[in-house]
Amino acid sequence: GAVVSQHPSWVICKSGTSVKIECRSLDFQATTMFWYRQFPKQSLMLMATSNEGSKATYEQGVEKDKFLINHASLTLSTLTVTSAHPEDSSFYICSASGLAGGQFAYNEQFFGPGTRLTVL
Amino acid sequence: SQQGEEDPQALSIQEGENATMNCSYKTSINNLQWYRQNSGRGLVHLILIRSNEREKHSGRLRVTLDTSKKSSSLLITASRAADTASYFCATEPYSGAGSYQLTFGKGTKLSVIP
Repeated sequence: GAVVSQHPSWVICKSGTSVKIECRSLDFQATTMFWYRQFPKQSLMLMATSNEGSKATYEQGVEKDKFLINHASLTLSTLTVTSAHPEDSSFYICSASGLAGGQFAYNEQFFGPGTRLTVL
Repeated sequence: SQQGEEDPQALSIQEGENATMNCSYKTSINNLQWYRQNSGRGLVHLILIRSNEREKHSGRLRVTLDTSKKSSSLLITASRAADTASYFCATEPYSGAGSYQLTFGKGTKLSVIP
């Protein structure tokens, strides 16, 4: 099956620093990647949709200058949390979408294992 | 925006019993998917049901979809302790242009007691 990895799996940083999270599709080309945030005991909230080679589309209420997304290739997207604060502490999950046709029967999203960010 | 709503929010059953979780949504969809998440982990895709399907089976899982009521149910039969996890429904909204975004419900936390 399609595999998506995230790195790092967890990170602790000081307030004010920036943190970069990588999302890679290991065995397929993902034209679209999605970034979600999940607070404890809550559901996944979509932050942004990222298409390779173009600017990400952010959901309402998500600051694009704070959460920088780069989707430079069909297998890699990065999320950078700039000037992180304790309220940014959360579980960040990416997914990569393989389009229907060919390898995939439908527009599947394959999820990474998540990155736990703790900002002190 | 959050569309799916699962109920119950939490469910505790004995091993061997069946577990039923429900999901409601608000707008037209292409498909509805169920995911499982173990504590602190990523999501595992369980099953997808398209808008023109009414029921689907996969092993011990049975999913139904009622588009007239905008609701779905997930049944896990003969539950096992290893089924303990949070279960989320996610909807792909209908869009002629092909929207692949998923909107997740709040989830049901299932605890299976050995």
